[in-house]
Amino acid sequence: DIQMTQSPSSLSASVGDRVTISCRASQGISKYLVWFQQKPGKAPKSLIYAASSLQSGVPSKFSGSGSGTDFTLTISSLQPEDFATYYCQQYKSYPLTFGGGTKVEIK
Amino acid sequence: QVQLVQSGAEVKKPGASVKVSCKASGYTFTTYDINWVRQATGQGLEWMGWLNPNSGNTGYAQKFQGRVTMTRDTSTSTAYMELSSLRSEDTAVYYCASYVGYASWGQGTLVTVSS
Repeated sequence: DIQMTQSPSSLSASVGDRVTISCRASQGISKYLVWFQQKPGKAPKSLIYAASSLQSGVPSKFSGSGSGTDFTLTISSLQPEDFATYYCQQYKSYPLTFGGGTKVEIK
Repeated sequence: QVQLVQSGAEVKKPGASVKVSCKASGYTFTTYDINWVRQATGQGLEWMGWLNPNSGNTGYAQKFQGRVTMTRDTSTSTAYMELSSLRSEDTAVYYCASYVGYASWGQGTLVTVSS
């Protein structure tokens, strides 16, 4: 199975900050990576797929980069509605596997 | 719009089975795999398996092999996930997910296993 490791597991940031979350795969997954945002009591929401493609309707402050084993999600200017938990997930091969999540909290 | 709507919350006793439905609309049901993911309270996301709605082929996570069955009814664009031999550790919210880049998720179904 491909292991997905996210860092950090949590971070505190202020409104307007630029935030970067990392995700590392235990083996190469090309660009078969999705980033999700999840708020309490809600289903995950897909933000980025194919490592860097923005989902329809997702604001351009979210961006993704990387390929192979190292990936990054960047939020260019953090807003109150962005405080949530973020997960990466690989879909290169089954079983699909998720990172452990990064909780973004208000400083 | 693309939408997945799941069945309502369930309370089951240990050893029982539960069957959760996921009705798709807004796209051709047979085009995209349906994946099932669960999340225990305060925990991360756990993938359970996939279903190809066109062929009916499935693949399950090792952890659930022998206890999970995923099926579909193409006439109603509905996918089903049945989990048997329930135990307290199966208490979680169960989600179906599909479409391009896993863009569409159901609202979640809380399954509570308690004696």
